[in-house]
Amino acid sequence: DIQMTQSPSTLSASIGDRVTITCRASQSISSWLAWYQQKPGKAPKLLIYKASSLESGVPSRFSGSGSGTEFSLTISSLQPDDFATYYCQHLRTFGQGTKVEIK
Amino acid sequence: EVQLVESGGGLVQPGGSLRLSCVASGFTFSNNVMSWVRQAPGKGLEWVSGISDSGASTYYTDSVKGRFTTSRDNSQNTLYLQMNSLRAEDTAVYYCAKQIGYCFGGGCYFDYWGQGTLVTVSS
Repeated sequence: DIQMTQSPSTLSASIGDRVTITCRASQSISSWLAWYQQKPGKAPKLLIYKASSLESGVPSRFSGSGSGTEFSLTISSLQPDDFATYYCQHLRTFGQGTKVEIK
Repeated sequence: EVQLVESGGGLVQPGGSLRLSCVASGFTFSNNVMSWVRQAPGKGLEWVSGISDSGASTYYTDSVKGRFTTSRDNSQNTLYLQMNSLRAEDTAVYYCAKQIGYCFGGGCYFDYWGQGTLVTVSS
């Protein structure tokens, strides 16, 4: 199976910061990558699919980019509601998660 | 509005069985591939099983093959996960998820998730 590796594992940031999370695939996966946000005690929520397509209803401060083996999720201006854990996903494999904490 | 509501979780002894259910509404259930994804306490997400729209094809992660069975009743808009020979490492919140695409070849993602049901395997 293809391995998905996220970095960093934890990220400390302030309100208004631009934040970027990276997801690397162990081999090329074209653009078949999704990003999810999960808050404690809640189900994951789809943010981005096919690497860069924004799911309906998701704020435009979220964006995704990349293809092949390297992908990123960017939050252009971090808001209080964005402190959560973020996961990338390809086929049946999820990344290990990136927790975005308040600095 | 799409809704997925899981039930059936609980405390079970090692070696025991549980059946999880997921009732779907707000979309044409019979036209959609579905999956089960679990999350052990404090850990990340793990895909467990998937089932085709008709129910004719099912897929499992290696650690549950031969122990878990996924099925669906399209007349009742319900997805099931029969879990037998449960182990401590099966302890997790189990989510059902509506799937777009096929996770075997091509690509897929999960656009709607239920709230999850907790399965605890302990003596």
